[in-house]
Amino acid sequence: QSVLTQPPSVSGAPGQRVTIACTGTSSNIGAGYDVHWYQQLPGTAPRLVIYGNTNRPSGVPDRFSGSKSGTSASLAISGLQADDEADYYCQSYDTSLSGSVFGGGTKLTVL
Amino acid sequence: QVQLVESGGGLVKPGGSLRLSCAASGFTFSDHYMSWIRQAPGKGLEWISDISSTGTTKYYADSVKGRFTISRDNARNSLYLQMNNLRGEDTATYYCVKDATMTIFGVAIPNWFDPWGQGTLVTVSS
Repeated sequence: QSVLTQPPSVSGAPGQRVTIACTGTSSNIGAGYDVHWYQQLPGTAPRLVIYGNTNRPSGVPDRFSGSKSGTSASLAISGLQADDEADYYCQSYDTSLSGSVFGGGTKLTVL
Repeated sequence: QVQLVESGGGLVKPGGSLRLSCAASGFTFSDHYMSWIRQAPGKGLEWISDISSTGTTKYYADSVKGRFTISRDNARNSLYLQMNNLRGEDTATYYCVKDATMTIFGVAIPNWFDPWGQGTLVTVSS
């Protein structure tokens, strides 16, 4: 059971927009800690795609965007492409655990 | 560019020990927090430990506290994870990660992890 809750899977057709939700509690996201998102392509290490709730590292397409409100955050991917098919993880910090926490991951399928 | 290369993984029996190493290059290693994050086969990500830039402050997840020890050698640009009393549930790929945690007026502000090494697989089995 992960501290942050994500849907196990989402899907969309090429060109469409999908969103992945990440739900936390008052001891992590709701406590004001930032949310960060990672993309993990099959057989590879995770890669940062959103940091500080809404910021994109250089090299990440502007099709990727993030938002945060209250105890939740979300990752949106527009103009879906086949190579967006991957697992996506949200991450924040939890004061009661005194450590970083991850969501359980969401598998994105491009139909 | 930033490179993180892990080594030291392998097959170990339950109750055994293993020491992971991570060689860092492409950035000023001594300026940054570093972390270890693991991923069990087919499962999600689990942060397990981090260490401040000077090595004086260390944090551990409850799942490894008392069994694992994180350390660093800034002169060698290297990060380590000593794993003792290993259990089957420690089987995972272990990633060395550059941690964006910053210290402001002595308070650690947790942040993101970037970049990640390629990982090293640890298998605990008899």
